[in-house]
Amino acid sequence: GAVVSQHPSWVICKSGTSVKIECRSLDFQATTMFWYRQFPKQSLMLMATSNEGSKATYEQGVEKDKFLINHASLTLSTLTVTSAHPEDSSFYICSARTSGVSYNEQFFGPGTRLTVL
Amino acid sequence: EDQVTQSPEALRLQEGESSSLNCSYTVSGLRGLFWYRQDPGKGPEFLFTLYSAGEEKEKERLKATLTKKESFLHITAPKPEDSATYLCAVQKGSSNTGKLIFGQGTTLQVKP
Repeated sequence: GAVVSQHPSWVICKSGTSVKIECRSLDFQATTMFWYRQFPKQSLMLMATSNEGSKATYEQGVEKDKFLINHASLTLSTLTVTSAHPEDSSFYICSARTSGVSYNEQFFGPGTRLTVL
Repeated sequence: EDQVTQSPEALRLQEGESSSLNCSYTVSGLRGLFWYRQDPGKGPEFLFTLYSAGEEKEKERLKATLTKKESFLHITAPKPEDSATYLCAVQKGSSNTGKLIFGQGTTLQVKP
């Protein structure tokens, strides 16, 4: 149980284009989902927290107009990187928090490697 | 300031050589401490949640313990497949969103 998927697993795009990444909780309902960014040999950096049906809460320094987050249902959240540039190249990981008994635990997706040329 | 510090940054062990990883934390009210394992190019895999000082949890060769200031992840007789980065994260008591504060991780390499 508690499986989170991400799609795509990797994407290469040209500078100036937008890229959408999907995060799905496959076998549970996630009231809260989180989006992280991870640079090589570094730990996870929280970008934003999203709750189903409401606006995402962004961490300080994260541009909300550049990283659009939509949490349209209890099993799906999307991250859109708008007008991507090479500095946006990174490993993006989502996690989902269950609403059941183990509500404190977060389960992570496999990550999406974004390369902007 | 809330802070999570893991040590050592890197650890090399021979197969069968037991050791411990440390996670020290400073947060205003701990709601939970989490251990994750991350393999290169993959997302973190959940291992344990600890909620109160004195609590211990085990899974195969791994055992996690918690005190009021730190947590240890003990690895008994490790195997090469235990090689990974181990991440520690804490959740504050005041957090209603479940936001986690991560340490920098300990990269473990187990040689056969």
